[in-house]
Amino acid sequence: EAQVTQNPRYLITVTGKKLTVTCSQNMNHEYMSWYRQDPGLGLRQIYYSMNVEVTDKGDVPEGYKVSRKEKRNFPLILESPSPNQTSLYFCATRPTSGRSTGELFFGEGSRLTVL
Amino acid sequence: SQQGEEDPQALSIQEGENATMNCSYKTSINNLQWYRQNSGRGLVHLILIRSNEREKHSGRLRVTLDTSKKSSSLLITASRAADTASYFCARGNNNDMRFGAGTRLTVKP
Repeated sequence: EAQVTQNPRYLITVTGKKLTVTCSQNMNHEYMSWYRQDPGLGLRQIYYSMNVEVTDKGDVPEGYKVSRKEKRNFPLILESPSPNQTSLYFCATRPTSGRSTGELFFGEGSRLTVL
Repeated sequence: SQQGEEDPQALSIQEGENATMNCSYKTSINNLQWYRQNSGRGLVHLILIRSNEREKHSGRLRVTLDTSKKSSSLLITASRAADTASYFCARGNNNDMRFGAGTRLTVKP
């Protein structure tokens, strides 16, 4: 079954305590992306990756880091979380080769609260 | 900045009625996509329309695209209570996809 798996699904943490949200996909997709969703603002892109070792900033990259060492994994790292990073986070993937229809496949989301 | 803006922000209708949601965008696109999100869940792809297409159908969904006006509409016919969700348009290009704030649709039984 095609899956995009995010962990943790829910997390409450405190300001300054480093955390990582993992994203793993089993579809061999080249493209992976992180979004955050906030009320009234829709989904805003944080970072994306076109393939292994290739990452680029999205609209709201400040305070976040990513890495793409393997094709299937794209972790989102918050080195020093702050309350304004309280949000619902989504990982999404799609192929970029000729078989791509442009459709994004989303994970179920990770709800993060920073106190 | 957001690349797709949905209108209205919220829509409430009775079961059986049609629901129309609109999306405007600012820059040229390769394609425009519509997604659905049940409360707090991941987004699910509904339909994609390419920039050289004007209309597309999928079941009870009808999407139109007017590139001269930089706008798209999503029509859900004969709505059901299970259609209650948020609907997002997304502009796609080669590198990324940008979403609007969505339309919250409530279908009352």
